[in-house]
Amino acid sequence: DGGITQSPKYLFRKEGQNVTLSCEQNLNHDAMYWYRQDPGQGLRLIYYSQIVNDFQKGDIAEGYSVSREKKESFPLTVTSAQKNPTAFYLCASSVPGRAGELFFGEGSRLTVL
Amino acid sequence: GENVEQHPSTLSVQEGDSAVIKCTYSDSASNYFPWYKQELGKRPQLIIDIRSNVGEKKDQRIAVTLNKTAKHFSLHITETQPEDSAVYFCAASIFNKFYFGSGTKLNVKP
Repeated sequence: DGGITQSPKYLFRKEGQNVTLSCEQNLNHDAMYWYRQDPGQGLRLIYYSQIVNDFQKGDIAEGYSVSREKKESFPLTVTSAQKNPTAFYLCASSVPGRAGELFFGEGSRLTVL
Repeated sequence: GENVEQHPSTLSVQEGDSAVIKCTYSDSASNYFPWYKQELGKRPQLIIDIRSNVGEKKDQRIAVTLNKTAKHFSLHITETQPEDSAVYFCAASIFNKFYFGSGTKLNVKP
């Protein structure tokens, strides 16, 4: 069953702690993305990666870090430097070079206590 | 970078009426314009898309129009049903980066 799997679905964190959100896809897509969604706002791009071992900052990369060591995996770390990390995080993938559909994971809801 | 604006932010219609959501974009190099539907707490799902070489596309009750000159595109839903109630996002894609509008919350009243 192909798709994108995000974990955990819900995560609580204390201020000052780093947390890592997992994103795994078995669609054989080269491109992967992380978006942040806040209430009443659209999806804002955090980081994206077009190929393994390469990634680019999006519009709101400050306080976040990523890695792309494997094609199927694109984890996002929310660091303590992120001032307002409580949000819904969506991972997505697509086939690059063919302006095509974004496939989304189920999302991870992070709450900072 | 690309800037996508979406209106209205909320839209309430009676079941059976039509709904129209409009988006504008700023970068003429954008070449792909998808529309996503997101139900509460769920992932966005693609409902229709259009490429820059096409002016209109229809899929049953849903249609999208694109005006490249004016840099705007619209989603049209006819014969709305309560299950159409959700948040709808437009997006513009350039070099495989996707920029999203702020969303429209559609409420279809039975």
